[in-house]
Amino acid sequence: NAGVTQTPKFQVLKTGQSMTLQCAQDMNHEYMSWYRQDPGMGLRLIHYSVGAGITDQGEVPNGYNVSRSTTEDFPLRLLSAAPSQTSVYFCASKTTRQGGYTFGSGTRLTVV
Amino acid sequence: AQSVTQLGSHVSVSEGALVLLRCNYSSSVPPYLFWYVQYPNQGLQLLLKYTTGATLVKGINGFEAEFKKSETSFHLTKPSAHMSDAAEYFCAVSGGSNYKLTFGKGTLLTVNP
Repeated sequence: NAGVTQTPKFQVLKTGQSMTLQCAQDMNHEYMSWYRQDPGMGLRLIHYSVGAGITDQGEVPNGYNVSRSTTEDFPLRLLSAAPSQTSVYFCASKTTRQGGYTFGSGTRLTVV
Repeated sequence: AQSVTQLGSHVSVSEGALVLLRCNYSSSVPPYLFWYVQYPNQGLQLLLKYTTGATLVKGINGFEAEFKKSETSFHLTKPSAHMSDAAEYFCAVSGGSNYKLTFGKGTLLTVNP
């Protein structure tokens, strides 16, 4: 039982490049979310999913796309990276309405 | 709409002293409330949560929090700080269907020997 697995752990991109941050969970959790963490800002919700095939926008969705074709995977796509997307990205999942989210260990992304 | 205010971005205590981290929330529906801890270069770990029922909630590592609806507060306490408690702590609120968490900006706890 690996929990929530995020890859890669570190990434450097050039402005305008695209990439996909991977997130996988092996706990059969329905709910999954992506957050970004910036100094002094706490964590802000980017996108979330309440089940396979269902996604919705969070607080800061611009510049990011998601899809949820399976229960296990919830990738986050940056279509054209910008320096403002330099951040630490966390994926999280949970199973029940009253439960708390389980977080992955994060991906540290730098856009130059 | 929902929001969280954590009072004090940095709290410093001596080892063995009381830890008190303050959190006030705003929610238009009955809230779910959470405290998470983040150690350096790691993800977030759930300390405790309030959903319904008992307003005093006990979590891991000796922490507890009390939900006070009249004060819209959910302060985190620990009677005696340990060096290993040094970390950043985040309060979070969710309402309704509880899949959209809103986080506070965090409080960095320093424990002095």
